[in-house]
Amino acid sequence: AQKVTQAQTEISVVEKEDVTLDCVYETRDTTYYLFWYKQPPSGELVFLIRRNSFDEQNEISGRYSWNFQKSTSSFNFTITASQVVDSAVYFCALSEEYGNKLVFGAGTILRVKS
Amino acid sequence: ETGVTQTPRHLVMGMTNKKSLKCEQHLGHNAMYWYKQSAKKPLELMFVYNFKEQTENNSVPSRFSPECPNSSHLFLHLHTLQPEDSALYLCASSQGPATNEKLFFGSGTQLSVL
Repeated sequence: AQKVTQAQTEISVVEKEDVTLDCVYETRDTTYYLFWYKQPPSGELVFLIRRNSFDEQNEISGRYSWNFQKSTSSFNFTITASQVVDSAVYFCALSEEYGNKLVFGAGTILRVKS
Repeated sequence: ETGVTQTPRHLVMGMTNKKSLKCEQHLGHNAMYWYKQSAKKPLELMFVYNFKEQTENNSVPSRFSPECPNSSHLFLHLHTLQPEDSALYLCASSQGPATNEKLFFGSGTQLSVL
């Protein structure tokens, strides 16, 4: 069965610090997809990234970067030089190729203080 | 105009009331979803519709009744709810129903059942 664990319930940092949000997943499939979504205080989840299980290249998008390691079943998310606007709940999620649902982790609350 | 619009943003209802949540997407997507977000619990998928047909009912109690008259509109009819049904109800849409599709979310309806 699919499972996503985000062990960090809440993280507080000061602006300009780097912060890494951890995500560990479980699946028996060889083909699967990993996602990160951001939920700001306004409520709507915003898609950040999708990776498939065959693409282990790390990705960087501005201040955001993702480290996908199949050997440890992890898909960690790093924000460099954090800003107050990064304050949100961040969700990691997993779907299997022939599964019928997207499974979310419990989320990590990130608070960035000025 | 936002992609996925949900109304109302907030709803307070008694256990004997009947109310409906509305979701509209302006993205030309074919799949729509209802998710429940309770405090301290991961997002739970409730229903999936693809081309107006229900393709997933995640063991949701019958006091929640979805309706999808067309690919752009999704409703969640509520009746005789319980206090534990208080949560943020999120609507989402995607181009298709495949689990590797990225989801576009509305801002949700914060429901309180008294």
